[in-house]
Parts: sequence; structure tokens; C-alpha cells
Amino acid sequence: AQSVSQHNHHVILSEAASLELGCNYSYGGTVNLFWYVQYPGQHLQLLLKYFSGDPLVKGIKGFEAEFIKSKFSFNLRKPSVQWSDTAEYFCAVNRGGTASKLTFGTGTRLQVTL
Amino acid sequence: GAGVSQSPSNKVTEKGKDVELRCDPISGHTALYWYRQRLGQGLEFLIYFQGNSAPDKSGLPSDRFSAERTGESVSTLTIQRTQQEDSAVYLCASSPRTGAYNEQFFGPGTRLTVL
Repeated sequence: AQSVSQHNHHVILSEAASLELGCNYSYGGTVNLFWYVQYPGQHLQLLLKYFSGDPLVKGIKGFEAEFIKSKFSFNLRKPSVQWSDTAEYFCAVNRGGTASKLTFGTGTRLQVTL
Repeated sequence: GAGVSQSPSNKVTEKGKDVELRCDPISGHTALYWYRQRLGQGLEFLIYFQGNSAPDKSGLPSDRFSAERTGESVSTLTIQRTQQEDSAVYLCASSPRTGAYNEQFFGPGTRLTVL
């Protein structure tokens, strides 16, 4: 069974610091990759996704992620975080094609301090 | 437009009781998913619907769990004889279609506490 690992459980950064959140998955076949974000008191929402093509994908609010197939990784980055980025971030994978269900990591709680 | 809604937002029940959780997907979305998130864990897939049928029920943890969907609309997740390990946030998501390339839109969740 595929699995998703997010090794950073809780990250605390000062505003303007750079961010990188790790995500590794275990499935060896074709995958689609997603990052979801849950701001305090809000629903999970899609931040960005990768299906194919350019392995560097850009999402909303200045976030980007890089798919490195050889490392089974899809790390999330932002050059300069803001206080409003405080949220929980989830990496998710599906197998592509007709597969629908998402397999999620355990999430990383990001706290940005002023 | 309206997003995915779920009710109740919170449910506290006693061990052994049955509970029903409701999900109203975004209008026109044919695919509907149920996930749950237990404390300290990621979201785990339970079941998904394409229209009224459930092609994948592989995530339902036991036969105490069941779900149905009427039309391409409301879905209910029923947990019979609840146990303390059922305590979790139950999330519903909908998508315009099934398939790996369609974004899933999530509801706010139902927090279930089994005493």
C-alpha cells in the first residue's frame, strides 16, 4: 500500500524566513501529488498539484513544490513566509488514471511568528 | 457558490450508540468521498461514491461502518455501536468527476467524540 511521510510535524518560523516542508511517498508507479492547506478555523483547500510535465509547480500565495522522482519527494517551499501562512499543511498522493482516493501524510503544523 | 457542508459539526455520543453523519456536496459534483482524521494522524480514506454507487469501500474499518448516497446529492455515513476508537474528525469531499485529476473540495468536517 502506498504511504506518505511528512517528517516535520511542527515548524516554527519567523516572518520572512524561508520554508521547506518535506514530503516523501512510497509508491513506485505513476502518481499525482498534492499539497493541501488548512488555515485555522477553515476547510482543507488545495494549495498546488502535480500531474506531469515541469516538476516545479507553482501554487497559490507564492508557494511552490518540486517533484523529484528519484527521491520520491514533493517538497513544499516558500521563499519568505508571512504570519498569515500559519496553518496545517498536508501532502497527498493518488495513483493517477482512474484512481480517485487520496493518501495523506500526517500533516505539518506551521507557526509563523511576528 | 456554496461549498461542501456537513452536519452536525460536533457530535458527542456514548459508546455503543449509533450515529449518522451527513454530507451535502457541491451541486453538480458526481463524486463524493469520506475520510477520517484521528488525533495525530493524517486523513484516511473510507469510501467514495460515483453517483449512487460506491466503487471503492476499501477504507471502511469494519462492518459497523456504512454509507449511502441518494441521487447525486446527500450522503450519510452511519457508524453502528460506536467505539472509543471511532472518535475522529470525519471529512467529506466532493469532486466534479471521479478520477485522479479532479480536485477534491472538502467540507468542514464532523468532530465525533465517543465517550
